[in-house]
Amino acid sequence: AQKITQTQPGMFVQEKEAVTLDCTYDTSDQSYGLFWYKQPSSGEMIFLIYQGSYDEQNATEGRYSLNFQKARKSANLVISASQLGDSAMYFCAMREDYKLSFGAGTTVTVRA
Amino acid sequence: KAGVTQTPRYLIKTRGQQVTLSCSPISGHRSVSWYQQTPGQGLQFLFEYFSETQRNKGNFPGRFSGRQFSNSRSEMNVSTLELGDSALYLCASSLNRDTDTQYFGPGTRLTVL
Repeated sequence: AQKITQTQPGMFVQEKEAVTLDCTYDTSDQSYGLFWYKQPSSGEMIFLIYQGSYDEQNATEGRYSLNFQKARKSANLVISASQLGDSAMYFCAMREDYKLSFGAGTTVTVRA
Repeated sequence: KAGVTQTPRYLIKTRGQQVTLSCSPISGHRSVSWYQQTPGQGLQFLFEYFSETQRNKGNFPGRFSGRQFSNSRSEMNVSTLELGDSALYLCASSLNRDTDTQYFGPGTRLTVL
């Protein structure tokens, strides 16, 4: 069964605007971690932001924030003030049993 | 601190051959995990090493193996290559096993002809 679901295969966003990438997850564990990674065309996975299941506050890292709704099992990524360099594939991932399970990813294209 | 490094970056092999990929974790990181990324299957967990022991393995055939050395560097080996093994192989390291973020290397792109 799919553990991480990203329903948006691709998105276009205008430069300087905000964009929200959806992620829902499925787990019966009480303790888990949620991550977002960025993968540019070069292939390297770049860590963006982390949210622990027990964290009460939504995580923020610069222009990235994570909208964590535990009851709904969603962990959406918000990128504010989009830049051309934000064009990439974005993956939501969940850590369980010492390994990461990834969603299918969302391609973001930022338009000038 | 230097990031995770992987060598080689690109490889072309033919069916039936074997291949060894190398990963050097961030200095001080003790856990190394490997993932395979293909267009059809996405990102899939291969295995995880900690203290020179394989702690976790994904759903891959025995042709996929690996090891970790005392300096935490890791290698993975794929024997009897098949066309379907063509993929980007990503290595990730973390300080410890459970609660720490995994940081990825640039990957090795393997093409099997």
